[in-house]
Amino acid sequence: DADVTQTPRNRITKTGKRIMLECSQTKGHDRMYWYRQDPGLGLRLIYYSFDVKDINKGEISDGYSVSRQAQAKFSLSLESAIPNQTALYFCATSDWELSSHEQFFGPGTRLTVL
Amino acid sequence: AQSVTQPDIHITVSEGASLELRCNYSYGATPYLFWYVQSPGQGLQLLLKYFSGDTLVQGIKGFEAEFKRSQSSFNLRKPSVHWSDAAEYFCAVGARDSGGYQKVTFGTGTKLQVIP
Repeated sequence: DADVTQTPRNRITKTGKRIMLECSQTKGHDRMYWYRQDPGLGLRLIYYSFDVKDINKGEISDGYSVSRQAQAKFSLSLESAIPNQTALYFCATSDWELSSHEQFFGPGTRLTVL
Repeated sequence: AQSVTQPDIHITVSEGASLELRCNYSYGATPYLFWYVQSPGQGLQLLLKYFSGDTLVQGIKGFEAEFKRSQSSFNLRKPSVHWSDAAEYFCAVGARDSGGYQKVTFGTGTKLQVIP
């Protein structure tokens, strides 16, 4: 089984709809992240969380919100989706105990906003 | 704040040829450095990492990278490319920000095409 899972894997929605992307991990890591990937822009950090009580904005948080329901679950919400939020979204985890701070990625969610 | 530059957006090599993907970073101290690979339709997989010690690091799938502090570079190399290496490669730098958070910044990626 995959260590970091994301649901759904693909989603098509319409402008103005509320969308939630979910991420679960079985790695036991304390830190979780949401990134979006756009062609030519690489990965950009949306939000990150060090534990269930610690949520931080990344470089492109406008239009997004997150919820850390448990150590293993981190959800990303688009309150009112717009077409320029069409992108590939990745969840990642890391562990403070790992001195290298390597991040482990889920398979991604491809979101299309029409 | 740290930054990463991957100057090559797209590279094409012949199968069996050698490969070097360039990565330059900007950071005031010694950073953590990573190379990730993303195969089509997949998430990112770590190829290798550097954070101390020997400046030549070995990774999975026959890849290696060399940290050169004087050039602020961390180029990825492979002596003989296989068709299965066709993917997008991301360099990343991790460094502590002013709040003590270990932030990872990704480059924009280099897409590798392998021709027979």
